Amino acid sequence: DVKVTQSSRYLVKRTGEKVFLECVQDMDHENMFWYRQDPGLGLRLIYFSYDVKMKEKGDIPEGYSVSREKKERFSLILESASTNQTSMYLCASSQTGNGYTFGSGTRLTVV
Amino acid sequence: AQSVAQPEDQVNVAEGNPLTVKCTYSVSGNPYLFWYVQYPNRGLQFLLKYITGDNLVKGSYGFEAEFNKSQTSFHLKKPSALVSDSALYFCAPYGGGYQKVTFGTGTKLQVIP
Repeated sequence: DVKVTQSSRYLVKRTGEKVFLECVQDMDHENMFWYRQDPGLGLRLIYFSYDVKMKEKGDIPEGYSVSREKKERFSLILESASTNQTSMYLCASSQTGNGYTFGSGTRLTVV
Repeated sequence: AQSVAQPEDQVNVAEGNPLTVKCTYSVSGNPYLFWYVQYPNRGLQFLLKYITGDNLVKGSYGFEAEFNKSQTSFHLKKPSALVSDSALYFCAPYGGGYQKVTFGTGTKLQVIP
């Protein structure tokens, strides 16, 4: 079964910490995405990547960066975590022209 | 520009009754249309998609969706609801190529025993 794996289901970090969220897909998909999901706001795109070493800003990139050194791995980095970044983070991958496959999500709490 | 509307934040239906979750969209060109389901504390799971062909698309868990080009709608349906169908449902249109999928804000389906 094809998979998108997010390294942590639950994460608690302190304000100001640098946080790494990892995502790995085993489907050889070109495209990878990071979303955050908040009640009443739906899914909001943070960053996406159409190829290795390539990244594009989504709708809410402020306070985040990404890294895609290998095709299968897409990392989301919170440079200095803040309480307003407490959220559910969802990684997804796709082959162009097809729907997305999502990971199980990481619920991040910043205290 | 792409957009999607799910006009109902929540839909309540009695177990065994038919259910409909509404979605209207706007994309340039021929749309690809998806429905996803999200169970509590989980990622989104693919339910079904329309790309071309029959307007009635069948998907997982007995769900189906009807594509209506003139009304730009893609409503999700099921003939007989189960309590286990209770979840958050997202409609997601896509214009193809390197455009991104746009997600609706989601509709919470509550099936009452």
